[in-house]
Amino acid sequence: KNEVEQSPQNLTAQEGEFITINCSYSVGISALHWLQQHPGGGIVSLFMLSSGKKKHGRLIATINIQEKHSSLHITASHPRDSAVYICAVSRTQGGSEKLVFGKGTKLTVNP
Amino acid sequence: GAGVSQTPSNKVTEKGKYVELRCDPISGHTALYWYRQSLGQGPEFLIYFQGTGAADDSGLPNDRFFAVRPEGSVSTLKIQRTERGDSAVYLCASSSYVSRGHTQYFGPGTRLTVL
Repeated sequence: KNEVEQSPQNLTAQEGEFITINCSYSVGISALHWLQQHPGGGIVSLFMLSSGKKKHGRLIATINIQEKHSSLHITASHPRDSAVYICAVSRTQGGSEKLVFGKGTKLTVNP
Repeated sequence: GAGVSQTPSNKVTEKGKYVELRCDPISGHTALYWYRQSLGQGPEFLIYFQGTGAADDSGLPNDRFFAVRPEGSVSTLKIQRTERGDSAVYLCASSSYVSRGHTQYFGPGTRLTVL
């Protein structure tokens, strides 16, 4: 079982819909990241959170440490939101810090 | 300011050849990471540098892979005797310090194809 599991793997939505992507993890973490990857490979960090909730524009990320679960929400989705969304957790082991990634959720927003 | 840059953007090589992939981190970032992303998968950790030293190389798949960062800035990932299974996008990221999961900034990646 992967340390970081995302669902769904693929998501197709109509423009304007509210979107939720889920992430569950099974290990202790120092922080959780949501990343966006567009075709061509570029990865952009959207959020880093260790508790509660963060909002940036139409994007909202929440985390429940006790349940080891996080969600990424997109309100009023738009075709330009189409991308792969990746959940990653920061793990500190032996003085080093590394990200462990989920497989990503491919989002397609149709006009 | 400039972000993380990686060169080349694409590299096609033949099985058995040696390749070098370069990463220029954001100026002043002391932490540097290499990841590998296979098609349809999330990135996988390869190696992490704090300054000039490899603080964690536990993700390197075998001894054909090696990375250096001699002056604490630019890093080079070196792959010897390439195999078709090495084909992937190699991503580099940097951050300003390692503390409680600080944000990592990613480069555009190098797409390596081994024929």
